[in-house]
Amino acid sequence: QVHLVQSGAEVKKPGASVKVSCEASGYTLTDYYMHWVRQAPGQGLEWMGWINPDSGGTKYAQKFQGWVTMTRDTSINTAHMELRRLKSDDTAVYFCARGGGSYLLGYYMDVWGKGTTVIVSS
Amino acid sequence: SHGLTQPPSVSVSLGQTASITCSGDKLEDKYACWYQQKPGQSPLLVLYEDTKRPSGIPERFSGSKSGNTATLTISGTQAMDEADYYCQAWDNRGIFGGGTTLTVL
Repeated sequence: QVHLVQSGAEVKKPGASVKVSCEASGYTLTDYYMHWVRQAPGQGLEWMGWINPDSGGTKYAQKFQGWVTMTRDTSINTAHMELRRLKSDDTAVYFCARGGGSYLLGYYMDVWGKGTTVIVSS
Repeated sequence: SHGLTQPPSVSVSLGQTASITCSGDKLEDKYACWYQQKPGQSPLLVLYEDTKRPSGIPERFSGSKSGNTATLTISGTQAMDEADYYCQAWDNRGIFGGGTTLTVL
């Protein structure tokens, strides 16, 4: 059975960085893109970007360019998302989600992790 | 502002049909997909490529699209369908609608 297992909750101070991990179980990480989506408390879903785990190529939403980095470690079937220079409004649940579809047809996200809560507070 | 527009809330009586719309300028040329999210849970893909249901999603969930508007229809709505629903499309980036809270009366 396919699962995405995310790392545990984090509490960070403003200006710090956070790195969230997402281990793919039941399939090979390199076979599908991995997307990252966040959800602030009581708010909707916000797409952050994707990584092609096979090539390491990435695409970030314009809003996050320059302060997010998505990487992968294929030896442990795990993707990572690092967000730097955290602010209080980065407090959110961060999800990894396996990508289906294609660039031409459009991507959808068919398997989601349970989410990692990141709290940014002084 | 969101590139995809959804009504904030929709109410439906138990056993009736619920329809949730999603409008966007480029939706005519792009596939839409839909996610269900219950409180405290991750989103669940319920429809992709406008009309396709992933394995395990009940047949009462269906999708359609006309012009720039995609519609998620739930036939014979059950209490367990009460949730937030988000549409999503792809335009060189992921775009989510603002979400619709479905209340089953």
